[in-house]
Amino acid sequence: KQEVTQIPAALSVPEGENLVLNCSFTDSAIYNLQWFRQDPGKGLTSLLLIQSSQREQTSGRLNASLDKSSGRSTLYIAASQPGDSATYLCAVSGATNKLIFGTGTLLAVQP
Amino acid sequence: EAGVTQSPTHLIKTRGQQATLRCSPISGHTSVYWYQQALGLGLQFLLWYDEGEERNRGNFPPRFSGRQFPNYSSELNVNALELEDSALYLCASTPTGQGATGELFFGEGSRLTVL
Repeated sequence: KQEVTQIPAALSVPEGENLVLNCSFTDSAIYNLQWFRQDPGKGLTSLLLIQSSQREQTSGRLNASLDKSSGRSTLYIAASQPGDSATYLCAVSGATNKLIFGTGTLLAVQP
Repeated sequence: EAGVTQSPTHLIKTRGQQATLRCSPISGHTSVYWYQQALGLGLQFLLWYDEGEERNRGNFPPRFSGRQFPNYSSELNVNALELEDSALYLCASTPTGQGATGELFFGEGSRLTVL
């Protein structure tokens, strides 16, 4: 059974700092990995999708890497801003075609 | 282009009643997923519909059901509501077929409160 874990559970950083969010999964037989952002009480916004054959994806200040063999992904946020404050979720898709979500990292960027 | 739309935004019901939630996928997307996000429990997979058929369901009792219509919109029905059904219900859609990446796009959710 696939399990997805995210570390840390919560993170508070000053504005401008670069930061790394971690995601690990127990079954390396995945089709893709997706990072989302969720603001309080809102839906999920897709940030980056990494296919199983890819090693990383970049979008603006965001960079996500994938090491399938070790069951790990990282989301790197450069030059953090208060507007980046949200919960960040990673999710993996496998043979059952459903996304299994991690527990999330609550990020607070202090101005 | 419109994203995934869900209605209603908020719904208040009492125990034992039935709730119906609706989802319109992004135009061209044929697959619809439903997730439950209860307070403190994270996102739990409920149902997956593709081309009008239920393809997979999560570990939820049969009183959670749904369907997908010919226009690919979907509805989620929850019968005999219980207090623990209070949650944010999220719908997501994705295109299928050749070249599809499997990327899911979510709506803003429907907040169900059971009193």
